[in-house]
Amino acid sequence: DTAVSQTPKYLVTQMGNDKSIKCEQNLGHDTMYWYKQDSKKFLKIMFSYNNKELIINETVPNRFSPKSPDKAHLNLHINSLELGDSAVYFCASSQGFSPLHFGNGTRLTVT
Amino acid sequence: KNEVEQSPQNLTAQEGEFITINCSYSVGISALHWLQQHPGGGIVSLFMLSSGKKKHGRLIATINIQEKHSSLHITASHPRDSAVYICAVLFFGNQFYFGTGTSLTVIP
Repeated sequence: DTAVSQTPKYLVTQMGNDKSIKCEQNLGHDTMYWYKQDSKKFLKIMFSYNNKELIINETVPNRFSPKSPDKAHLNLHINSLELGDSAVYFCASSQGFSPLHFGNGTRLTVT
Repeated sequence: KNEVEQSPQNLTAQEGEFITINCSYSVGISALHWLQQHPGGGIVSLFMLSSGKKKHGRLIATINIQEKHSSLHITASHPRDSAVYICAVLFFGNQFYFGTGTSLTVIP
């Protein structure tokens, strides 16, 4: 009964490949996010979805695309992976002023 | 320039010490979160504040809206408090920005 679950936990792939990370929340929250955490532990927002509408799209490469089939899911697709994409990616959700709920993270390693 | 400044970046304390982590931000906000990330990597939300003060066990969080500043205090620190603490600010417009994190190590 995990609140925010993301898969896979670890992802190792080669440059140039296309990969996806899935995220699901069972909290009934309206807003879901994708964050990237770099090697210095700095979190940066990538995307935010509210009621299936993209409301924030930071200046991330268009190789990254969020896909939300319904408000409980926000998947992250990455095309043509590059070495610099290696990081930990976190999915999170929130509702209004409720606390942020994070998934356990996906550690992406591009070789 | 990061809109959210957090200090210190690294902190080592002896078990039992009182610890303070600070967070300052540049413009008006609708809410501020304190997050904790353990070495295993998972992130949990400790507090969500829009005004005043909140307490949970040995943790206390305060916010001063006029001064655009928040503090996270840990009383009687314990080695299990060792983690990275992150300030997350919700600006008007539903956009979160994060501080750079404070890496806390509590030595027995």
